[in-house]
Amino acid sequence: QKEVEQNSGPLSVPEGAIASLNCTYSDRGSQSFFWYRQYSGKSPELIMFIYSNGDKEDGRFTAQLNKASQYVSLLIRDSQPSDSATYLCAVPPDRAGTALIFGKGTTLSVSS
Amino acid sequence: DAGVIQSPRHEVTEMGQEVTLRCKPISGHDYLFWYRQTMMRGLELLIYFNNNVPIDDSGMPEDRFSAKMPNASFSTLKIQPSEPRDSAVYFCASSRGPGYTEAFFGQGTRLTVV
Repeated sequence: QKEVEQNSGPLSVPEGAIASLNCTYSDRGSQSFFWYRQYSGKSPELIMFIYSNGDKEDGRFTAQLNKASQYVSLLIRDSQPSDSATYLCAVPPDRAGTALIFGKGTTLSVSS
Repeated sequence: DAGVIQSPRHEVTEMGQEVTLRCKPISGHDYLFWYRQTMMRGLELLIYFNNNVPIDDSGMPEDRFSAKMPNASFSTLKIQPSEPRDSAVYFCASSRGPGYTEAFFGQGTRLTVV
């Protein structure tokens, strides 16, 4: 059974700072990793995915993957109050045809 | 496309009553997932379908829970009888492919069992 672990937070950062969100997973065979954002009272929405070791950048967001350490992170540069949300890390099982397993999420609060 | 559509958005029911949650996936998506979200347990997979066929229902907590997908555009999750511990937000999601492709979530149904 795959497990996805996240620090529940809350993580509090001032506006303009870098927010760093971390996720560890149990299955060394995991090949792809997803970051979803969930605003309070809303549904999760995909913001980033990463397949390869290293960094992937998309605007103010950077996903970092280290398969040897079984660790994936999300960096948010120039954090804005609108980034305040819960960030969910998700990992699909290796076997094709199965569903994403989600961590419990880290709550980020960006103060202005 | 209107996205994944769930109904009702909110449901308050008394313990012991039957509850039916409904979902319309995005057209062309072959996979449909039912998740339950609580503060304690986070987002848990209950069951998922591929081409209307249930593939994995190991996350369904008890026999009181059942799910069906009679056609490609409709699915239901039924709880009978409902209990207060079933109170949660239930999400339906759909995707074009299996777990390594993006899943799109509906707005969820907030269920309260009193």
